[in-house]
Amino acid sequence: AQSVAQPEDQVNVAEGNPLTVKCTYSVSGNPYLFWYVQYPNRGLQFLLKYITGDNLVKGSYGFEAEFNKSQTSFHLKKPSALVSDSALYFCAVRDDSNYQLIWGAGTKLIIKP
Amino acid sequence: DGGITQSPKYLFRKEGQNVTLSCEQNLNHDAMYWYRQDPGQGLRLIYYSQIVNDFQKGDIAEGYSVSREKKESFPLTVTSAQKNPTAFYLCASSILSGNEQFFGPGTRLTVL
Repeated sequence: AQSVAQPEDQVNVAEGNPLTVKCTYSVSGNPYLFWYVQYPNRGLQFLLKYITGDNLVKGSYGFEAEFNKSQTSFHLKKPSALVSDSALYFCAVRDDSNYQLIWGAGTKLIIKP
Repeated sequence: DGGITQSPKYLFRKEGQNVTLSCEQNLNHDAMYWYRQDPGQGLRLIYYSQIVNDFQKGDIAEGYSVSREKKESFPLTVTSAQKNPTAFYLCASSILSGNEQFFGPGTRLTVL
């Protein structure tokens, strides 16, 4: 079965340090992968996607994600965290059976000053 | 200014009442979606529509209904058959199914 997992419920990072939010996936074909961010009581905002090509994908707000086929991972990264990056982050993968997105449970990112 | 709008932002319902949540987009997207989000949890798909006059059930469609009479609009009705409707409801759209989705600001429904 196709699935996506975010193994960490919460990640704590000091401001200015690099951050990583983890995502692993399981799909039968080539993966279409997405990252979104959600601020409190708001809708989700699209950050970046991987469909094919370069394994390092650059997105909005200085975020990037690294696709690793052998480890079936798509971790979200940022070189220097800001307090304003504190939010809920979701990873998603496209389900090849119906083209809908399968969502991870979300990771709460807390950036401390 | 393109985007997705949802109304109302907050909605209160008495038990036994049906309520309808509005979702409108001016992005010219073919596909639209409704999700439910409960506190501290991820998104669960209620219904989706890939084209006008067609829609499919998602993972938790029981107690909900939708229509897609216009490309721009995808209203969701929460019926009295939905036993636990208190949640945050998110509408989204994408140019086609499987592409990145763009979300509205959400409607928070509370049953009194």
